[in-house]
Amino acid sequence: DTEVTQTPKHLVMGMTNKKSLKCEQHMGHRAMYWYKQKAKKPPELMFVYSYEKLSINESVPSRFSPECPNSSLLNLHLHALQPEDSALYLCASSLQLGGSGNTIYFGEGSWLTVV
Amino acid sequence: DAKTTQPPSMDCAEGRAANLPCNHSTISGNEYVYWYRQIHSQGPQYIIHGLKNNETNEMASLIITEDRKSSTLILPHATLRDTAVYYCIVRVGYGGYNKLIFGAGTRLAVHP
Repeated sequence: DTEVTQTPKHLVMGMTNKKSLKCEQHMGHRAMYWYKQKAKKPPELMFVYSYEKLSINESVPSRFSPECPNSSLLNLHLHALQPEDSALYLCASSLQLGGSGNTIYFGEGSWLTVV
Repeated sequence: DAKTTQPPSMDCAEGRAANLPCNHSTISGNEYVYWYRQIHSQGPQYIIHGLKNNETNEMASLIITEDRKSSTLILPHATLRDTAVYYCIVRVGYGGYNKLIFGAGTRLAVHP
């Protein structure tokens, strides 16, 4: 089983709203990732967690706030977003952050529209 | 991580083999070659990866040249459902952060 589950699949939010995207995996993976994908562009890395600690922040604006409450869950808290933040947000996981041939598995994504 | 170069688009007839090339001339000795694909509106799907040797699984085959500067993903009998964007990625497999950095990819269209 290589399943990463993301909720909600679609989210529409106003610029003053606070919302969260959720991600869950039960593969025993200890590294989890958030990617952002704009239309017709490749995914871009945002954050990486390893053993529930933030390891990489790719200079993401503070209106995006990640959280890893336990080894199976990853959240992305959203506040004061702009319309240009509308995108597909992808969660992914891998067994560990390093290690040889460590495959990263993706969820189906959450489509976010900011109005 | 090394950069990759892929053709922006390719066509393939249904039932024929699809051969997708990738150049990674600056690849380092500890970097793996990974292939993912993304079908419209879905998350990227892992296909296959390799370091030096050719690899085969139920989805595809990966052929890596001896100097490791290029590789080819082979879908042996393409179907309409293989229409997708295919990403070739090289990344450090150990001793470093497990970053997966996507390039522009190849848009493969399989037609009847």
